[in-house]
Amino acid sequence: QVQLVESGGGLVKPGGSLRLSCAASGFTFSDYYMSWTRQAPGKGLEWVSYISSSGGTKYYADSVKGRFTISRDNAKNSLYLQMNSLGAEDTAMYYCARDTEMGTLPWGQGTLVTVSS
Amino acid sequence: SYELTQPPSVSVSPGQTASITCSGDKLGDKYACWYQQKPGQSPVLVLSQYNKRPSGIPERFSGSNSGNTATLTISGTQAVDEADYYCQAWDSTRVFGGGTKLTVL
Repeated sequence: QVQLVESGGGLVKPGGSLRLSCAASGFTFSDYYMSWTRQAPGKGLEWVSYISSSGGTKYYADSVKGRFTISRDNAKNSLYLQMNSLGAEDTAMYYCARDTEMGTLPWGQGTLVTVSS
Repeated sequence: SYELTQPPSVSVSPGQTASITCSGDKLGDKYACWYQQKPGQSPVLVLSQYNKRPSGIPERFSGSNSGNTATLTISGTQAVDEADYYCQAWDSTRVFGGGTKLTVL
């Protein structure tokens, strides 16, 4: 079955960096756009970024543009999110998900990023 | 930037019909889909951008999207449907609405 497993979250100091990973299985990873969405504690969903199947097209939310970089390795069935210049406002659960013609599904279980001194 | 507006909360009695709206400028010209999120769980797509249900989603979930408003309709609402619901618009970027907490009481 389709499975997405995020990793790489944790506690980081303000101004620090973190790299999230998402391991995909159960489908042909290179056929699909992929996205990252985050959810701050007790708040709603916020789309972060998506990347085309080849990796040639990338879009970012204004809130992370210039600080976050999405990438993928189709040979490794993996999606990444490099996060730099982190601030308290980036504290959230980060979800990796597959984009399909129907919408975004499925979603991973998420990895928690906490930015605090 | 594009914004989507949802009511913060909607209440419905078991067996009745719940309607959750999502408003945005010319939303009907964009793809829109709906997600359900229960406490402590990841979001789940319940209505696609073609107003179709993904596999495993009950028939009681339906929707529409025209003008400036998309609507998620849950017919014969059950207690298991109590959750947060988010609309999302797709164009060159993706935007989520603020979410609606559906209470079944």
